[in-house]
Amino acid sequence: SQQGEEDPQALSIQEGENATMNCSYKTSINNLQWYRQNSGRGLVHLILIRSNEREKHSGRLRVTLDTSKKSSSLLITASRAADTASYFCATAQGAQKLVFGQGTRLTINP
Amino acid sequence: GAGVSQTPSNKVTEKGKYVELRCDPISGHTALYWYRQSLGQGPEFLIYFQGTGAADDSGLPNDRFFAVRPEGSVSTLKIQRTERGDSAVYLCASSLRLTGSGDEQFFGPGTRLTVL
Repeated sequence: SQQGEEDPQALSIQEGENATMNCSYKTSINNLQWYRQNSGRGLVHLILIRSNEREKHSGRLRVTLDTSKKSSSLLITASRAADTASYFCATAQGAQKLVFGQGTRLTINP
Repeated sequence: GAGVSQTPSNKVTEKGKYVELRCDPISGHTALYWYRQSLGQGPEFLIYFQGTGAADDSGLPNDRFFAVRPEGSVSTLKIQRTERGDSAVYLCASSLRLTGSGDEQFFGPGTRLTVL
């Protein structure tokens, strides 16, 4: 079973705009991670935010975590065509398995 | 190698056959994970190894699935008596260590299994 739920399931925006994706989860976590996947194959790790952190930045990415609401958001600023992909949040319970959501399909239109 | 590698990249088999999927983790990574991803879904956890031992196999769907990591490096996922419902992309990941709060997992490109 999957814990996370991403919202929206699909998002289409114009190049240069910002893209925001949200993730909700159900149980307590140690950390939450965001991954990108192109063409249904290997996942690329984007960013990890620990349960005691509230916000983290990496380049054009900004992730927030609200443990009281059991939610996280991923913001991609100044989107590019190359950002077109599926984005997944994954929660780590303990130091073990990741539990993924169903993903957000992001399309950047030129 | 620089990253996690998986072989084969694609596997087509017939219902009832036995298949083996191989994963080579990043050198020095002690933790290794297997996930399965069906079309349009996120990856689902199958099993993880810390060293040679399976520390958590709670995600294996039934006893037709088995995985080994005999020397603490390469791992093989074995599926007996394959069924059409086993068709999916099987992803392997590794991480440097298991800490109290978890580490980034590095994923391989996956093996796309098709059971006819």
